[in-house]
Amino acid sequence: EPEVTQTPSHQVTQMGQEVILRCVPISNHLYFYWYRQILGQKVEFLVSFYNNEISEKSEIFDDQFSVERPDGSNFTLKIRSTKLEDSAMYFCAGRVGINEKLFFGSGTQLSVL
Amino acid sequence: AQSVTQPDIHITVSEGASLELRCNYSYGATPYLFWYVQSPGQGLQLLLKYFSGDTLVQGIKGFEAEFKRSQSSFNLRKPSVHWSDAAEYFCAVGAQAAGNKLTFGGGTRVLVKP
Repeated sequence: EPEVTQTPSHQVTQMGQEVILRCVPISNHLYFYWYRQILGQKVEFLVSFYNNEISEKSEIFDDQFSVERPDGSNFTLKIRSTKLEDSAMYFCAGRVGINEKLFFGSGTQLSVL
Repeated sequence: AQSVTQPDIHITVSEGASLELRCNYSYGATPYLFWYVQSPGQGLQLLLKYFSGDTLVQGIKGFEAEFKRSQSSFNLRKPSVHWSDAAEYFCAVGAQAAGNKLTFGGGTRVLVKP
């Protein structure tokens, strides 16, 4: 079965630093998402992306966050100035169509010190 | 706003025994419902989904779930659990909208005793 690939698997950064989390979706996917899971809490929706623009974002996804798909393959999540509370597992996901199966990557564990 | 509740944080079951994981949702329209499984170090894998039609849906790995609108529930079941079923299970509700975001429950961790 095809996979969504996320890199790195672990990232450690200092508070205030910028981080970029990378995702390589499955090639025929059109809808892309970022979710995160703070340790011990629910998986939370961050943002959805379709046709090179954000289609929906949550309250968590403030001005410190941005997404882009610069080269038509990679899908990135940037956090401009990380905070301690950004420490979480970040999942990328994608699907072919709106009602099709959503494929998740294995996640990037972000630790902000 | 949509929400999902999984009342059981942990469940321990003996290998070969049956398993039922509870999920209750709150949603203003007909929901799209999902069950995902997460093994340690892995991403979220879709077990099954309900969009419409038959309220009893079959999924992978021998799992099934039943949508009960009157109870706002979508419980997951497996008749005979295998040791490899030890994992965390997440129920989620979604909508057919532009973003089609999923709202997840808090998860139920399943431990399987030999």
